Amino acid sequence: ILNVEQSPQSLHVQEGDSTNFTCSFPSSNFYALHWYRWETAKSPEALFVMTLNGDEKKKGRISATLNTKEGYSYLYIKGSQPEDSATYLCAFNSGGSNYKLTFGKGTLLTVNP
Amino acid sequence: DGGITQSPKYLFRKEGQNVTLSCEQNLNHDAMYWYRQDPGQGLRLIYYSQIVNDFQKGDIAEGYSVSREKKESFPLTVTSAQKNPTAFYLCASSILGSNQPQHFGDGTRLSIL
Repeated sequence: ILNVEQSPQSLHVQEGDSTNFTCSFPSSNFYALHWYRWETAKSPEALFVMTLNGDEKKKGRISATLNTKEGYSYLYIKGSQPEDSATYLCAFNSGGSNYKLTFGKGTLLTVNP
Repeated sequence: DGGITQSPKYLFRKEGQNVTLSCEQNLNHDAMYWYRQDPGQGLRLIYYSQIVNDFQKGDIAEGYSVSREKKESFPLTVTSAQKNPTAFYLCASSILGSNQPQHFGDGTRLSIL
């Protein structure tokens, strides 16, 4: 079973702070790295799917980077807002014909107003 | 609106009973997935299907069964052989491909009476 690690497990920030967290994954057999946001009482929502080493993707105040050689991805949130409070999940796809994702345990972000 | 519908939202099972969780999608996605979430753990893949009338075991398939008779539907049966069925179950679907994001339902919480 593949090992996908996310850190920190949880963090609290003040409104307006910028923050970032990490996803570590195996550096071999890389096909794609997914990021999802999961708000309480809602379904997980896809943020980014990253496939190339050095990829940077941005969606509003949220951006992500990818380093497949060393096996990590960072998710950045600029100027955090209370509505950014959620669990952020990363998931690793090692390819093959099955498109299976292995998920990390997530980082729980709480943004205090 | 296109999306994934899981029902019921809450489900209670007596010891020794089989129960079936429903998952329907109208996104015309070929691939469908079932995940289980337990406290402190990442989403774990139970079963997945890439085409009608075909499905594969995920990482924790023991005690579960699925069918894929229609493209839109991928029901999960939790059998009496599943010794620890209390969990939150998420269904997802996607276009085939490692760079395709998964779309999730709202989940079903199963509890044992």
